[in-house]
Amino acid sequence: DAKTTQPPSMDCAEGRAANLPCNHSTISGNEYVYWYRQIHSQGPQYIIHGLKNNETNEMASLIITEDRKSSTLILPHATLRDTAVYYCIVRVVGAGGTSYGKLTFGQGTILTVHP
Amino acid sequence: EAGVAQSPRYKIIEKRQSVAFWCNPISGHATLYWYQQILGQGPKLLIQFQNNGVVDDSQLPKDRFSAERLKGVDSTLKIQPAKLEDSAVYLCASRSPRLQATGELFFGEGSRLTVL
Repeated sequence: DAKTTQPPSMDCAEGRAANLPCNHSTISGNEYVYWYRQIHSQGPQYIIHGLKNNETNEMASLIITEDRKSSTLILPHATLRDTAVYYCIVRVVGAGGTSYGKLTFGQGTILTVHP
Repeated sequence: EAGVAQSPRYKIIEKRQSVAFWCNPISGHATLYWYQQILGQGPKLLIQFQNNGVVDDSQLPKDRFSAERLKGVDSTLKIQPAKLEDSAVYLCASRSPRLQATGELFFGEGSRLTVL
């Protein structure tokens, strides 16, 4: 799976949009971009994923550049409960074999939302 | 729907002792994973099961770690003998076969191990 690069930490004011960047310059055509987050003392939680189109769900939006070498996770109105480590992961989906379903986590971005 | 259950939440042992962690995945989830998360790092996959068969255990230290998933439901991860560097949170995750295309994994809250 391709390697990702994320800033180690970011701050955001409560109520403002949080924009978390991720670089994945070596991504392959069949690799998806996944975002998970991990709140303190909890297991990681799935947020969103995409291949090449922008995606939105009830939690966040995912913007993927046209060349797919980078993406941005957007939390439109950050709350204190969004303080967490955010992981950007790229992986092949549906390929079968031993890598199928495997998530390789980096160190992620620590997002701190301030009052 | 009930989430992934893990126990114990916390365990403190001395080095060279043994420990076992238990995981009960979400009902119907055929794929089960054990991850190790050392403080300050992202989770690292130890082993992946599909039903009761091992799919990937390439990063499992087999000289001291073992895992099983009898009957394709619950799973147990054992460490014997433990070393100081095994201090970590052990996370269990499962995935529904219906969500194979999305790849969403559901994680438990983890079992925190401290080796003294």
